[in-house]
Amino acid sequence: AQSVAQPEDQVNVAEGNPLTVKCTYSVSGNPYLFWYVQYPNRGLQFLLKYITGDNLVKGSYGFEAEFNKSQTSFHLKKPSALVSDSALYFCAVRDTRGSYIPTFGRGTSLIVHP
Amino acid sequence: DAMVIQNPRYQVTQFGKPVTLSCSQTLNHNVMYWYQQKSSQAPKLLFHYYDKDFNNEADTPDNFQSRRPNTSFCFLDIRSPGLGDAAMYLCATSSRAGVTNEKLFFGSGTQLSVL
Repeated sequence: AQSVAQPEDQVNVAEGNPLTVKCTYSVSGNPYLFWYVQYPNRGLQFLLKYITGDNLVKGSYGFEAEFNKSQTSFHLKKPSALVSDSALYFCAVRDTRGSYIPTFGRGTSLIVHP
Repeated sequence: DAMVIQNPRYQVTQFGKPVTLSCSQTLNHNVMYWYQQKSSQAPKLLFHYYDKDFNNEADTPDNFQSRRPNTSFCFLDIRSPGLGDAAMYLCATSSRAGVTNEKLFFGSGTQLSVL
C-alpha cells in the first residue's frame, strides 16, 4: 500500500522569504515521489520528481525538493518566494513494488503575501 | 502547444440530464486517466485506460462511464448527474504504464455545474 500526507492545509509566506511545503509518504518498496502545482481553475502541472540518486531534486520555477529516506519525507522548497507562486501544491507517490497509479496528497494551499 | 485538451472548459447541465466530457491528447500516450476534484481537494481517480483495457476504481459510482475509441480520445459520460457530481473533472495521460517513474500530463479540466 502507498500513501502520502500533506500535514498543512495552508502555508503563508512573505514574498522574498524561503518557503517549505511538507510531504511525508509511506510505501512498501522504494518511492517515486512527485510534486505538482495547480493554479486556479487549471489542471495540475508537473514540478519535479525523485526517482533515485541525489536527495536534492531541482525542478521548474526555481523549486526544489529534498528526499529524506529516514524521515520518509519529500518537502518542497524555494529559497525566495514570489507572489506568483501562490497556488495549490500536491505531493504524489508511487511504490516501486506497486501499481503505476500515483497516490496524491490532499494538497497544500500556498499563499505568498506581497 | 496544448498536449492534453479538455472540452468544454465549463459545462452546465441539469439534474439527471446525461452529459459527456471529452479529452484528447497529442502525446500518443497509452494511459489515460479521469479524475474528479472537488473544492481544493486531492484529485480522486475514477478510472483509467491502459491502451484499450479499462480499469474502474472500486468506489467509482455506476453513474460514471468512460469510452476510449482510439489512442487520442477519451470520454467521460455521466448518465444521470446529481448535485454531488458538480466538480472539476481532470483528464491526464502517461506513457509506458509499466514504468512507474513516469509523470502525468494533465489537461486544464472541465468544471461541471449541475443545476
